[in-house]
Amino acid sequence: SQTIHQWPATLVQPVGSPLSLECTVEGTSNPNLYWYRQAAGRGLQLLFYSVGIGQISSEVPQNLSASRPQDRQFILSSKKLLLSDSGFYLCAWSPGRINEQFFGPGTRLTVL
Amino acid sequence: SQKIEQNSEALNIQEGKTATLTCNYTNYSPAYLQWYRQDPGRGPVFLLLIRENEKEKRKERLKVTFDTTLKQSLFHITASQPADSATYLCALDVDTGGFKTIFGAGTRLFVKA
Repeated sequence: SQTIHQWPATLVQPVGSPLSLECTVEGTSNPNLYWYRQAAGRGLQLLFYSVGIGQISSEVPQNLSASRPQDRQFILSSKKLLLSDSGFYLCAWSPGRINEQFFGPGTRLTVL
Repeated sequence: SQKIEQNSEALNIQEGKTATLTCNYTNYSPAYLQWYRQDPGRGPVFLLLIRENEKEKRKERLKVTFDTTLKQSLFHITASQPADSATYLCALDVDTGGFKTIFGAGTRLFVKA
């Protein structure tokens, strides 16, 4: 069966520090991969999605970036965090077009 | 831009009753619409997907309708239970490629015993 992993589960970082969140999927190949951010009490904001290795689509211009170095690995990064980057970061995968998305456990990021 | 609206106020119902949640959208004609459940501190969990050519879909105690003329989806939970208490999100595809999905803010449901 397929599983999706995210780490770390929680993270507290100072303003201006770098960020790297990792997401990996097991049990499937060539998944579509997604990064979302959810602010407290708000909906999910799509940040990036990828349909293949090295293919990244950015939805929100900001100080975040994403990379997909391997088929089942998706990384969210920042060179300098802002206070507004705080939130709940969720990685998800789907088997293809018009399919449900399967979410990871999320990373709670607090920028102080 | 595409917009999804869900009832921002929480829905409180009595156990055993039917809960009905609404999802309205504007400025797009999605090929399909999805509903997810999210518990506090957890990632959303997929519940149902309905395509534009389907009027209704059922899964156990869940029922979803999709009215492309009204640009609205209704999500029903029959014989609701306290364990159904959660936030329910609707989502729709917003590009022809089918890869990009946007989510509503969700409606919080409380089922009282």
